[in-house]
Amino acid sequence: DIQMTQSPSTLSASVGDRVTITCRASQSISRWLAWYQQKPGKAPKPLIYEASVLESGVPSRFSGSTSGTEFILTISSLQPDDFATYYCQQYNDYPLTFGGGTRVEIK
Amino acid sequence: EVQLLASGGGLVPPGGSLRLSCAASGFTFSSCAVSWVRQAPGKGLEWVSGISGSGSSKYYAESVKGRSTISRDNSKNTVDLQVSSLSAEDTAVYYCAKRIGDNWGFLDYWGQGTLVTVSS
Repeated sequence: DIQMTQSPSTLSASVGDRVTITCRASQSISRWLAWYQQKPGKAPKPLIYEASVLESGVPSRFSGSTSGTEFILTISSLQPDDFATYYCQQYNDYPLTFGGGTRVEIK
Repeated sequence: EVQLLASGGGLVPPGGSLRLSCAASGFTFSSCAVSWVRQAPGKGLEWVSGISGSGSSKYYAESVKGRSTISRDNSKNTVDLQVSSLSAEDTAVYYCAKRIGDNWGFLDYWGQGTLVTVSS
């Protein structure tokens, strides 16, 4: 199975901060990586797919990049609505696997 | 509008079984794979099972393999997940989600989830 290692597990930041979350795959997954945002009591919401393609309707302050098996989600200027938990997920092969999540909280 | 409605959750005794159902609308159902993803209270997301658009390919996580069966009825736009020999570790919100393709792509739409509680 492909293991997804996500860091940090928790991140404290202020409105306006630039935030980066990293996800590393245990083997090559090409660009088959998605990022999701989840708020308490809600289903995950897709943000980015194919490592860097913004899902329709997602604000442009979100971006994704990749270097080999390392993937990065960047929020350029954190907004109040962005305080949530973020997950990466590889869909290169079954079983689909998720990172452990990064909780972005108010500093 | 794409909709996925998960149902069938509830309180189940240890050792019991349940059948979850996902009703879909708003897209070409038979062209999209569907997965079940669960989330234990306060924990992260765990993929559980998936089925291709045609239903010919089925996949299971090790945690449920051998005690779960996923199926779909493309005439009714539904995907079912049957899980047996339930334990407290199966307590979670179960989400159904569709992939953008027959057996590929990310999970682009998620249902609201149904809560399964395994307890005596």
